[in-house]
Amino acid sequence: AQKVTQAQTEISVVEKEDVTLDCVYETRDTTYYLFWYKQPPSGELVFLIRRNSFDEQNEISGRYSWNFQKSTSSFNFTITASQVVDSAVYFCALSAGVSGNTPLVFGKGTRLSVIA
Amino acid sequence: ETGVTQTPRHLVMGMTNKKSLKCEQHLGHNAMYWYKQSAKKPLELMFVYSLEERVENNSVPSRFSPECPNSSHLFLHLHTLQPEDSALYLCASSQGGRFFDTQYFGPGTRLTVL
Repeated sequence: AQKVTQAQTEISVVEKEDVTLDCVYETRDTTYYLFWYKQPPSGELVFLIRRNSFDEQNEISGRYSWNFQKSTSSFNFTITASQVVDSAVYFCALSAGVSGNTPLVFGKGTRLSVIA
Repeated sequence: ETGVTQTPRHLVMGMTNKKSLKCEQHLGHNAMYWYKQSAKKPLELMFVYSLEERVENNSVPSRFSPECPNSSHLFLHLHTLQPEDSALYLCASSQGGRFFDTQYFGPGTRLTVL
């Protein structure tokens, strides 16, 4: 069975602070894909990143960075110099298996509040 | 035109009403999805259509009836709903119909059942 755990339910930071959102996943498949989505108050889930299990390189995109560690089954997301516009609910998701027939499993999300 | 649009954005209906949610994708994708997002629950997949054929029906009650007339449009027909069906209903699309393909979501329809 596949599972995604986002242990942090809510995080509150002051603008310009760095913040890391944790994501721990479980799967027995060796081939899998991990995703992060952002859900602002408007409701739409905005795609941030997709990473497959064979690519362990960390990724940086502007103020966003992702740390993928297979040894700890984690795919953590860091926002550097947070801004008020970063306030949203962030979801980590897992698609396991080489066939792509297993539905995405989402974590329960982490609500990030960035205070000016 | 944004990638995936949904109408209406908000809907209030009684338990005896019949209504439909509409989703349209402008990305040239081949697969479309309906998800339900309830408070404090993970997103729940409801239906998947790939090349206009339903490939997933995730044990959803028959009071929810999907329709996919073409690869750009997806509907969710609602009838005789219950108050517990109140939720945010999200539509998504992807290039391929496999779950490891990136899904792009619409803004959702906030449904309240009285």
